[in-house]
Amino acid sequence: GENVEQHPSTLSVQEGDSAVIKCTYSDSASNYFPWYKQELGKRPQLIIDIRSNVGEKKDQRIAVTLNKTAKHFSLHITETQPEDSAVYFCAAGEANTGNQFYFGTGTSLTVIP
Amino acid sequence: GAVVSQHPSWVICKSGTSVKIECRSLDFQATTMFWYRQFPKQSLMLMATSNEGSKATYEQGVEKDKFLINHASLTLSTLTVTSAHPEDSSFYICSARDITAYGELFFGEGSRLTVL
Repeated sequence: GENVEQHPSTLSVQEGDSAVIKCTYSDSASNYFPWYKQELGKRPQLIIDIRSNVGEKKDQRIAVTLNKTAKHFSLHITETQPEDSAVYFCAAGEANTGNQFYFGTGTSLTVIP
Repeated sequence: GAVVSQHPSWVICKSGTSVKIECRSLDFQATTMFWYRQFPKQSLMLMATSNEGSKATYEQGVEKDKFLINHASLTLSTLTVTSAHPEDSSFYICSARDITAYGELFFGEGSRLTVL
């Protein structure tokens, strides 16, 4: 089955700096890679996703890159703000199905004002 | 976007009692829903996949008689923690995929269970 690894587990950055979180996956059948942000005590919220036919996607300060050959994808947050502090999860799965996603172990991001 | 609603958000119960948590997809139909357990500062641990009209599929190590799952309709799945004990205290989250929207996954609000 699929195995998703995520690094780092914790990340601290100064406000205004960039943050990068990396994930790898093992199953070439996975073709959909969402990223979720979870604030303390809240539900995970989708912040950006990418499909395997695209190498990069950007939404304001957030971008995701995908390297299908190497089976890794990354989340990039630029100009970080204190409200970006949260736990971020990557996931891998198959698009257009009801099958489960496989989640990374999470990255706790702290943005220091 | 689609909405998944989970109820209750908080529940406190006595040891030995059973607790039911509901998960509803409000504006889409879900033939499968997923139940997770999350410990503080840890990742989402998939407990089981709830299948509409059939038995749930449990992950290894999850007691199916302890965590009863019922998916009676295309919009409702329930998780019942039977004979709850303090070690069952946790944050339980459900989710469902909207296959009409590329299979995007939506989470419920989560349910914080405290067993006294």
